[in-house]
Amino acid sequence: DQQVKQNSPSLSVQEGRISILNCDYTNSMFDYFLWYKKYPAEGPTFLISISSIKDKNEDGRFTVFLNKSAKHLSLHIVPSQPGDSAVYFCAASGSGNTGKLIFGQGTTLQVKP
Amino acid sequence: DAGVIQSPRHEVTEMGQEVTLRCKPISGHNSLFWYRQTMMRGLELLIYFNNNVPIDDSGMPEDRFSAKMPNASFSTLKIQPSEPRDSAVYFCASSFGGRGETQYFGPGTRLLVL
Repeated sequence: DQQVKQNSPSLSVQEGRISILNCDYTNSMFDYFLWYKKYPAEGPTFLISISSIKDKNEDGRFTVFLNKSAKHLSLHIVPSQPGDSAVYFCAASGSGNTGKLIFGQGTTLQVKP
Repeated sequence: DAGVIQSPRHEVTEMGQEVTLRCKPISGHNSLFWYRQTMMRGLELLIYFNNNVPIDDSGMPEDRFSAKMPNASFSTLKIQPSEPRDSAVYFCASSFGGRGETQYFGPGTRLLVL
């Protein structure tokens, strides 16, 4: 059973528009959330994170929103660029100092020029 | 730093053969993670080590899979015997350990079992 779910396998947007990637989780003990980006033939790289004490975290063109009551988070990319085309993974961790992450299935984003 | 190093990058083998994947974490990192990526389940955590000790191996699919970390700079993931359903990309990642620490991934090993 997937504790972290990304229900959209793929997303296509036009360059310059907003990309919104969604992620749902089931475990209410999760309190730290991350997004990783993955290009073909490379390993995932860290993009942005958010703690459960916040509902928004922004870093340049990337903003993550967290809705704890809905157990939902989203990643907004504005404006989208062709170089943003990649697979995006949502991940979550719970209490304890283990560093263990639970990842979703990933969403493939294509930004068209 | 060279980052996390994995070898081989690609492996093609026949069903029943033993497969060994290797990982060198970033120097100074004390946590190491093995993941498997599939289309259906995304990135699954197989096992992770902290200070060379296995902490959680609940993600290891079955007894055919085993992992070791004999020292802070080397880990192996072994599949014996391999099966076609083991075909996937296997990633190794390392971090300074602890919650909130960024995990740094290697480039992955693409395994195909025929």
